[in-house]
Amino acid sequence: IAGITQAPTSQILAAGRRMTLRCTQDMRHNAMYWYRQDLGLGLRLIHYSNTAGTTGKGEVPDGYSVSRANTDDFPLTLASAVPSQTSVYFCASSERTGGETDTQYFGPGTRLTVL
Amino acid sequence: AQSVAQPEDQVNVAEGNPLTVKCTYSVSGNPYLFWYVQYPNRGLQFLLKYITGDNLVKGSYGFEAEFNKSQTSFHLKKPSALVSDSALYFCAVRARTGTASKLTFGTGTRLQVTL
Repeated sequence: IAGITQAPTSQILAAGRRMTLRCTQDMRHNAMYWYRQDLGLGLRLIHYSNTAGTTGKGEVPDGYSVSRANTDDFPLTLASAVPSQTSVYFCASSERTGGETDTQYFGPGTRLTVL
Repeated sequence: AQSVAQPEDQVNVAEGNPLTVKCTYSVSGNPYLFWYVQYPNRGLQFLLKYITGDNLVKGSYGFEAEFNKSQTSFHLKKPSALVSDSALYFCAVRARTGTASKLTFGTGTRLQVTL
């Protein structure tokens, strides 16, 4: 069982370019999440999806969009990248919709640099 | 609003000595508390969680954490540190907000275990 895979592992991107970070889970978890990790700030929630077909905004959603066409995939798109979006991005999933006691499981991350 | 504080950016411990990584939280209602560990260039790995019941929670790799409601703390502990425990540790708290279950992370504490 792979768990959560993310692609690419790392990427250098010119400002203004469009970029999609991919996330796939094979655990059939209902809920999925995107976080960014920045030094001194910990992890901050960008967007989430409680179940396929639904998405919601986290605490730092501006400049990002997501979709959840099926249970397994949860891509994160930067429509027009800016240098402040340089970060490490983590995808996560948890078993139940709204299950506040559920553990979130994390992917290996994507390191994105926007120049 | 919910929040987590990890007051120490770094904790240094000699191998074989006990270690403590501190975490305090603020949340309305019942807190659900989590500890994660992150090794270099890796995603977050779940260590343990407190949901209800016994205040002392045991987790992976010999770690444990004690929930203290009066002090709103959830400190991570290990009786005897190993060099391989050196990593970045994150405390997180969850509470329900609307239909989402938001997990709020602390800023992380780097644990350095030396021989």
